[in-house]
Amino acid sequence: EVQLVETGGGLVQPGKSLKLTCATSGFTFSNAWMHWVRQSPEKQLEWVAQIKAKSNNYATYYAESVKGRFTISRDDSKSSVYLQMNSLKEEDTAIYYCTQSSYWGQGVMVTVSS
Amino acid sequence: DIQMTQSPSSLPASLGDRVTITCRASQDIGNYLRWFQQKPGKSPRLMIYGATNLANGVPSRFSGSRSGSDYSLTINSLESEDMAIYYCLQHNEYPYTFGAGTKLELK
Repeated sequence: EVQLVETGGGLVQPGKSLKLTCATSGFTFSNAWMHWVRQSPEKQLEWVAQIKAKSNNYATYYAESVKGRFTISRDDSKSSVYLQMNSLKEEDTAIYYCTQSSYWGQGVMVTVSS
Repeated sequence: DIQMTQSPSSLPASLGDRVTITCRASQDIGNYLRWFQQKPGKSPRLMIYGATNLANGVPSRFSGSRSGSDYSLTINSLESEDMAIYYCLQHNEYPYTFGAGTKLELK
């Protein structure tokens, strides 16, 4: 059974940092291109970042809205993908999903508020 | 960025109806188009990939099609479990972009 489990969300003040973790199982993680997608309180989905596999040199891509503030990374030995979020803004408030395209985690809430 | 214009935003329908949701791409995306279904409190579920291919476990009453830059999701013989929000996603070019969603609800 494929599982993706996100952790690390919570309430954080503007300007602070947070790191999300997505632990996966049930598929060949090392070959997978992994993404983070977020959903605003208004229900709009926004693609955030992607990291490709080792065979693609772990290439990364970002939405303009997070470029320079967020960093996606992975640890193939742990079948996990991460999202380091720095300089958080109130507009980053959303549910963050980890996805392998076909499979999605349950999501983790990130609230940025003073 | 490629804009995905999704319509309608809301679609009242009756059980047994045939309904169609459309996304128009602002630039060529080939067949790099996916459709997702999302129910309240749940994660999005992949329904269609490659514009026309049914994902694993998706009922055959769902289908995807393409006409030029218009991509459509059709549900034949609507069932109560189909009530949800549907989103399209283009993954031909970075940044990937979603449509704004269509809320399918009972009339």
